Amino acid sequence: GAGVSQTPSNKVTEKGKYVELRCDPISGHTALYWYRQSLGQGPEFLIYFQGTGAADDSGLPNDRFFAVRPEGSVSTLKIQRTERGDSAVYLCASSLNGGAAYNEQFFGPGTRLTVL
Amino acid sequence: AQSVAQPEDQVNVAEGNPLTVKCTYSVSGNPYLFWYVQYPNRGLQFLLKYITGDNLVKGSYGFEAEFNKSQTSFHLKKPSALVSDSALYFCAVRDLERAGSYQLTFGKGTKLSVIP
Repeated sequence: GAGVSQTPSNKVTEKGKYVELRCDPISGHTALYWYRQSLGQGPEFLIYFQGTGAADDSGLPNDRFFAVRPEGSVSTLKIQRTERGDSAVYLCASSLNGGAAYNEQFFGPGTRLTVL
Repeated sequence: AQSVAQPEDQVNVAEGNPLTVKCTYSVSGNPYLFWYVQYPNRGLQFLLKYITGDNLVKGSYGFEAEFNKSQTSFHLKKPSALVSDSALYFCAVRDLERAGSYQLTFGKGTKLSVIP
């Protein structure tokens, strides 16, 4: 079946602009995660959704970052007033049921964000 | 706080030889442990996980990992390396004591190069 998809695959923007990154999880997966991966580093957790609600947003770096999942499926990560330090690959993952902590997460290919 | 250490940035091994990619972790409670592989320009792919039970877990593509609680390690192994195994490998941990959150904490990754 289809895996996790993310659009766009690449996004180049200017400092100060607003961007939206989209994630389409595997059908039936109730848990959705956003991570950020900087060059030479492992992914770092940003936010976790169980259904429509953000169950854990402790990884969001500041209030410029916001994410939604209004219908419990597709999620959008929104970044306001982008800064050069926001440049990274943004990864989305989903899993069958976040309440079952042993379930592995399935990752999308990522969106590479470049802030000029 | 939970953390993962992958002490080797790069591991080189000759094709056909056994390989080991090291991982140690730190959590306050019992861990769930995962290995993922990342090929260039592709998302992370799940390899295997340790939840409970047998300390030796087997995963995809002939990989296995051994959980050692006393050494807080979860090293990835394969008896005979293939050139196609060349990729970036990430170890990740989830702390069961952190109720309500299912984020993974990743190591920095280890680049595996299998030499023909």
